[in-house]
Amino acid sequence: GEDVEQSLFLSVREGDSSVINCTYTDSSSTYLYWYKQEPGAGLQLLTYIFSNMDMKQDQRLTVLLNKKDKHLSLRIADTQTGDSAIYFCAESIGDDKIIFGKGTRLHILP
Amino acid sequence: KAGVTQTPRYLIKTRGQQVTLSCSPISGHRSVSWYQQTPGQGLQFLFEYFSETQRNKGNFPGRFSGRQFSNSRSEMNVSTLELGDSALYLCASSFTSGGNNEQYFGPGTRLTVT
Repeated sequence: GEDVEQSLFLSVREGDSSVINCTYTDSSSTYLYWYKQEPGAGLQLLTYIFSNMDMKQDQRLTVLLNKKDKHLSLRIADTQTGDSAIYFCAESIGDDKIIFGKGTRLHILP
Repeated sequence: KAGVTQTPRYLIKTRGQQVTLSCSPISGHRSVSWYQQTPGQGLQFLFEYFSETQRNKGNFPGRFSGRQFSNSRSEMNVSTLELGDSALYLCASSFTSGGNNEQYFGPGTRLTVT
């Protein structure tokens, strides 16, 4: 079946790194995504990684993909209060379908 | 370039009624996808339209339907509303169809069914 799992909550102190983890079940995924949703806003695509890549870095964001374990992670360096949001992991299946996790709520401690 | 717009932003309906939600994609984008977001189920794919044709459909009952116009604007309709249909409905557009294309999401329509 198609399923994407991620923990529901994460608390991180401001200035520390945040690591949000995700596991997926469909090995035929072509792309994996991280989306950010701030309160009252729609989803914003943060970054995505092609399934034959191991790592992608974009400024403060680092995505790591372990295809063997079907594990995806998003690392946010130097976490700021503006990073407080819900982060969704998603995988693309075939040409048209995207399956989302339930989202991880990132809470920033002062 | 204007982003994805959805109207209305908020809607309150009663059980048994029907509702139509509208989505205008980014200019030039031809693919529009609809998602339902609820606290319990998270984000679930409803369907995708590309060039006025439904390309893929999620596991939702036939009460949920949609269409796309020649200008790529899309509407989603839910008939015989149930309490469980209360959710945030998100629309996303992309230039073309396919999982390797970036999707841009609208702010959503929050539907409350009483």
